[in-house]
Amino acid sequence: LAKTTQPISMDSYEGQEVNITCSHNNIATNDYITWYQQFPSQGPRFIIQGYKTKVTNEVASLFIPADRKSSTLSLPRVSLSDTAVYYCLVGALIYNQGGKLIFGQGTELSVKP
Amino acid sequence: ETGVTQSPTHLIKTRGQQVTLRCSSQSGHNTVSWYQQALGQGPQFIFQYYREEENGRGNFPPRFSGLQFPNYSSELNVNALELDDSALYLCASSRPGQEYGYTFGSGTRLTVV
Repeated sequence: LAKTTQPISMDSYEGQEVNITCSHNNIATNDYITWYQQFPSQGPRFIIQGYKTKVTNEVASLFIPADRKSSTLSLPRVSLSDTAVYYCLVGALIYNQGGKLIFGQGTELSVKP
Repeated sequence: ETGVTQSPTHLIKTRGQQVTLRCSSQSGHNTVSWYQQALGQGPQFIFQYYREEENGRGNFPPRFSGLQFPNYSSELNVNALELDDSALYLCASSRPGQEYGYTFGSGTRLTVV
């Protein structure tokens, strides 16, 4: 599975848009890009997944350039409750990868008032 | 309400002891995975069970073992506990054909002293 690189930490203020970029230079053709959010002492929670171009849901947007070597998670108008660790994962759809999700260290997002 | 319940939430054990952690998945989720998350790190894949058989394993020694039951519950057993086994243990489940978004429980915080 492709290795990912993302910033260790980011700071933001309430109401701002936050963009977290993930680098995955060795992404394979059948790999998808998935982002999870994790609050302290809780399990990760699925946010969004995409293969190419742009995906948007009620929580976030995911931008993937044509070469797919990076991706950007965009959180619009963050609030204090968005303070969490965000993980970028790259791999095949879960029913094709034997269950193995490879998490990096993630990006610790701190939203301030 | 995540649909995946883990018990106990916290546990303290002595080095050398054995521990059993439990997970109850959502109905229909016949795939369950277990992860270990050390403080400040991303979750690490331990193993996965599908239809009550192990079908994937990470880089963990044999003293980490598991069981999956027909009622969508599962167990993680760790023998001969070591201090480094102190971590948050997460259970994640998925249903047949699910493309993305494992459902994680809130975890069991194990402390080995």
